[in-house]
Amino acid sequence: GAGVSQSPRYKVAKRGQDVALRCDPISGHVSLFWYQQALGQGPEFLTYFQNEAQLDKSGLPSDRFFAERPEGSVSTLKIQRTQQEDSAVYLCASSARTGDNQPQHFGDGTRLSIL
Amino acid sequence: AQSVTQLGSHVSVSEGALVLLRCNYSSSVPPYLFWYVQYPNQGLQLLLKYTTGATLVKGINGFEAEFKKSETSFHLTKPSAHMSDAAEYFCAVSKAGNNRKLIWGLGTSLAVNP
Repeated sequence: GAGVSQSPRYKVAKRGQDVALRCDPISGHVSLFWYQQALGQGPEFLTYFQNEAQLDKSGLPSDRFFAERPEGSVSTLKIQRTQQEDSAVYLCASSARTGDNQPQHFGDGTRLSIL
Repeated sequence: AQSVTQLGSHVSVSEGALVLLRCNYSSSVPPYLFWYVQYPNQGLQLLLKYTTGATLVKGINGFEAEFKKSETSFHLTKPSAHMSDAAEYFCAVSKAGNNRKLIWGLGTSLAVNP
């Protein structure tokens, strides 16, 4: 596609429910990133994929957070047993090739609200 | 560890005035530096980046930034503000090498007054 696509745009869930957030990167982009952006804050790194390999998951806040990219394209971020502190905007970004000076292209994010 | 400091969480300028958004970084190795803009309810859009070479970098929408190693700064400027420039601006740094994740500042909200 023309840009990074994230779905849903908005998600409301009750505390304790599981949620799944989807990211469609730009076609052909090798690298994919997930960030969490709390209200009024800058994004915080969660995890990074190069193709299907998850090379860095140091930013995942707990074992309730799980991300996958099984075919090296679409990625899903799953949050189990959601808590109120999980409320944030979840941003997905992709970049071409593997050079670390490649700009990251961002989707519009999924705004997650936990009641 | 790398970190990014954006001085001033809110900046207000008049239309046509100079825009100056400040960013300082700390990094033990030469960094790559980025400025992104975020409009309400939208994702982040790259304004400009510094990797190597010329320290004055020109970006989209008339913005530019200068990498000053001695001051560990990468301030964003625009000679004449436009109403459409009102948005949130984020400075970010990544480390040259294998670590590709971006470390972000807290952002500066720019208001442009008529």
